[in-house]
Amino acid sequence: NAGVTQTPKFRVLKTGQSMTLLCAQDMNHEYMYWYRQDPGMGLRLIHYSVGEGTTAKGEVPDGYNVSRLKKQNFLLGLESAAPSQTSVYFCASSYGGKRDEQYFGPGTRLTVT
Amino acid sequence: GESVGLHLPTLSVQEGDNSIINCAYSNSASDYFIWYKQESGKGPQFIIDIRSNMDKRQGQRVTVLLNKTVKHLSLQIAATQPGDSAVYFCAETQGGKLIFGQGTELSVKP
Repeated sequence: NAGVTQTPKFRVLKTGQSMTLLCAQDMNHEYMYWYRQDPGMGLRLIHYSVGEGTTAKGEVPDGYNVSRLKKQNFLLGLESAAPSQTSVYFCASSYGGKRDEQYFGPGTRLTVT
Repeated sequence: GESVGLHLPTLSVQEGDNSIINCAYSNSASDYFIWYKQESGKGPQFIIDIRSNMDKRQGQRVTVLLNKTVKHLSLQIAATQPGDSAVYFCAETQGGKLIFGQGTELSVKP
């Protein structure tokens, strides 16, 4: 099993550009999550999904959109990137319900200039 | 409100010594807690978890203690090794969502 994978690993955007980050998991997990991690701070939840076709807002959802068209994939979109969105983005997945342990991907480092 | 915080941002220990990383949480309704290890350039990695109906859980070289009375969580690492150098996060979970603390950086001196 590959676990949780993320593409791309690095990306540089100019202000106003758009992009999509892809997360894939092969563990048949129901729940998937997108976090951002900034220096000196813990991970903050952007959006999450409790199953195929569902999405919900997390702690810091503004400026991001997500889609979960397939159970194994969770996409994070930035429609108009801003420098404040420079961060490291982590995707995670879990079985859900009482099994809350989350498995994380390797991260995507995004820089917006 | 919900919050999870750590008492110390950095911890330096001698190789072979035991390490103790502390965490305070504010939501008494939290029922599940996890410790994660994050090495430089990598995603967080699960270490150990504990449910609120327990006060201690042991793994391989790691022990988590939960004191619900004072809302305190600790991670103990026995015989700390250089490979243990990383940032350690505690997190509390409710309804499938994780709330992370800021992290403690553990540095192991040879």
